[in-house]
Amino acid sequence: DGGITQSPKYLFRKEGQNVTLSCEQNLNHDAMYWYRQDPGQGLRLIYYSQIVNDFQKGDIAEGYSVSREKKESFPLTVTSAQKNPTAFYLCASSIFLWTEAFFGQGTRLTVV
Amino acid sequence: SQQGEEDPQALSIQEGENATMNCSYKTSINNLQWYRQNSGRGLVHLILIRSNEREKHSGRLRVTLDTSKKSSSLLITASRAADTASYFCATDAPSQGAQKLVFGQGTRLTINP
Repeated sequence: DGGITQSPKYLFRKEGQNVTLSCEQNLNHDAMYWYRQDPGQGLRLIYYSQIVNDFQKGDIAEGYSVSREKKESFPLTVTSAQKNPTAFYLCASSIFLWTEAFFGQGTRLTVV
Repeated sequence: SQQGEEDPQALSIQEGENATMNCSYKTSINNLQWYRQNSGRGLVHLILIRSNEREKHSGRLRVTLDTSKKSSSLLITASRAADTASYFCATDAPSQGAQKLVFGQGTRLTINP
């Protein structure tokens, strides 16, 4: 089945550590996105990528980094520079930028 | 502030009733999308309506778009317990100098059996 897979589902990070969230899609989509969702809130865009080897900052990119070396993969690293990383992280993909998006099931990151 | 703002923030109705959620936005758009999110899960795309369309249907869902009022509504008819979720509108709107898909804060819908 085609879809988008995020792993792990739950992740715990100690203060000062970098962690990487995985996002893989087999939908052959060019565009991929990372969003952050805080409790009771909407989604805020962290980074997006229109095509392999290209990505752009979203509205809240500070403290995050991404790579897009393969069409299928768009990992997100939450660095120690992100001061408030505890949140629900959602990865998505779409055929073209800003069209119907398919979401993964999310990764809940908690700083301990 | 958010480009799309849903109203109401929370809605609780009896099973079988219709549920209506509204979304208002600030700038011109090319399209508006509605998504559903079950608690702790990812979002699921429901409907995309383009700026030159006024109404779209998908099963028990009906979406309207009024570009003159910069607003959209999502109607769910004959609601079921499984419709309990948060519903978000998203618009392709300028954000910090570039076109992006911007989400509202959502309407939490509860269907009581």
